[in-house]
Amino acid sequence: DAMVIQNPRYQVTQFGKPVTLSCSQTLNHNVMYWYQQKSSQAPKLLFHYYDKDFNNEADTPDNFQSRRPNTSFCFLDIRSPGLGDAAMYLCATSRRTSVDIQYFGAGTRLSVL
Amino acid sequence: GIQVEQSPPDLILQEGANSTLRCNFSDSVNNLQWFHQNPWGQLINLFYIPSGTKQNGRLSATTVATERYSLLYISSSQTTDSGVYFCAVERRSGYSTLTFGKGTMLLVSP
Repeated sequence: DAMVIQNPRYQVTQFGKPVTLSCSQTLNHNVMYWYQQKSSQAPKLLFHYYDKDFNNEADTPDNFQSRRPNTSFCFLDIRSPGLGDAAMYLCATSRRTSVDIQYFGAGTRLSVL
Repeated sequence: GIQVEQSPPDLILQEGANSTLRCNFSDSVNNLQWFHQNPWGQLINLFYIPSGTKQNGRLSATTVATERYSLLYISSSQTTDSGVYFCAVERRSGYSTLTFGKGTMLLVSP
């Protein structure tokens, strides 16, 4: 089945140690999104790629970076994780047509020790 | 930016009961989606409904775009309906992305 796959499902890192989360999709969608969701809060958009064009949200910290080497893959890099970066990270994709439905992966839950 | 308010914030139901969740938004939208987030964190799209009415099994949704609100109806609720229901909208004007409401947490007890 076509889907959005996030790896790993759970990630533990140390304070200040760089970490990379990955997302892949078989839907051939041109837009990929990264959201951060903290406990009992709504998902918050960090950035998205529209094809190769990177769109950063104004309040996304510089500590968060992203790469999209091809249509299928997108990575979230956290350069120096702090305790406040512990959260669920959700990847989503969409086709960006007149009917623009976002499809989400299962998420990666990040713990920072 | 666009404001999205969901009500109620929490809801507890007995299995078999019906419920209505509401989403109010502050601007014209060209995209409105209802999502269910299960206890494991997976967000599942329930409806894409910027206007009109749709039904899918025990769930249905109505969006009245001119009055800037949407309703999600759950009939004959089951324990598997438990989780958080999010409404997310995209403003009509210009290029924008989805803005999520804070969600309604639903607990269906047996």
